[in-house]
Amino acid sequence: AQSVTQLDSQVPVFEEAPVELRCNYSSSVSVYLFWYVQYPNQGLQLLLKYLSGSTLVKGINGFEAEFNKSQTSFHLRKPSVHISDTAEYFCAVTSTDSWGKLQFGAGTQVVVTP
Amino acid sequence: EAGVAQSPRYKIIEKRQSVAFWCNPISGHATLYWYQQILGQGPKLLIQFQNNGVVDDSQLPKDRFSAERLKGVDSTLKIQPAKLEDSAVYLCASSYSRGQAFFGQGTRLTVV
Repeated sequence: AQSVTQLDSQVPVFEEAPVELRCNYSSSVSVYLFWYVQYPNQGLQLLLKYLSGSTLVKGINGFEAEFNKSQTSFHLRKPSVHISDTAEYFCAVTSTDSWGKLQFGAGTQVVVTP
Repeated sequence: EAGVAQSPRYKIIEKRQSVAFWCNPISGHATLYWYQQILGQGPKLLIQFQNNGVVDDSQLPKDRFSAERLKGVDSTLKIQPAKLEDSAVYLCASSYSRGQAFFGQGTRLTVV
């Protein structure tokens, strides 16, 4: 079984400032890792995913994340946020033999202010 | 391509009533999931279908929840009778057998 911990429930940030959302996972097997974004009253949209290969993953909307196996982390970053990045962000994990059965973290609410 | 369609978007019912949600996955996607997202929490998998067979329903409260996927396409999730703690957003997602899951917009259920 896998579990995901998102270390911050809410992150306030000023427009054009950088942001980092922290995610740690635990698993006894190999995993795939994901970051999803959820805008108000919307479903989940995939930002990026780590399956294998380079540990630095680039996604949509200028987001990137780094997989660190030794620290079991998959932190999400953006160098300069916009007002439109205000949303809830979820880190998720699935084992490599059970695609789609995602285990989600509790989410991090990002609030961008001018 | 069209995304995952869910209906209704919103539903308010009284406790002990029954309710049903509908999901139409992306065409060609063999795998379908239902997730429950309680306010302030991440989504939790309720049930996973592969074509019209159940792969995993270990987290589905089977005394009150049921789900079916007829002909391996559309799916219905039912709650009978509903409890206050069932208030949540119910998300449907679909994928190819091994691949990224695409989510619908969800159905927000309020039980009063």
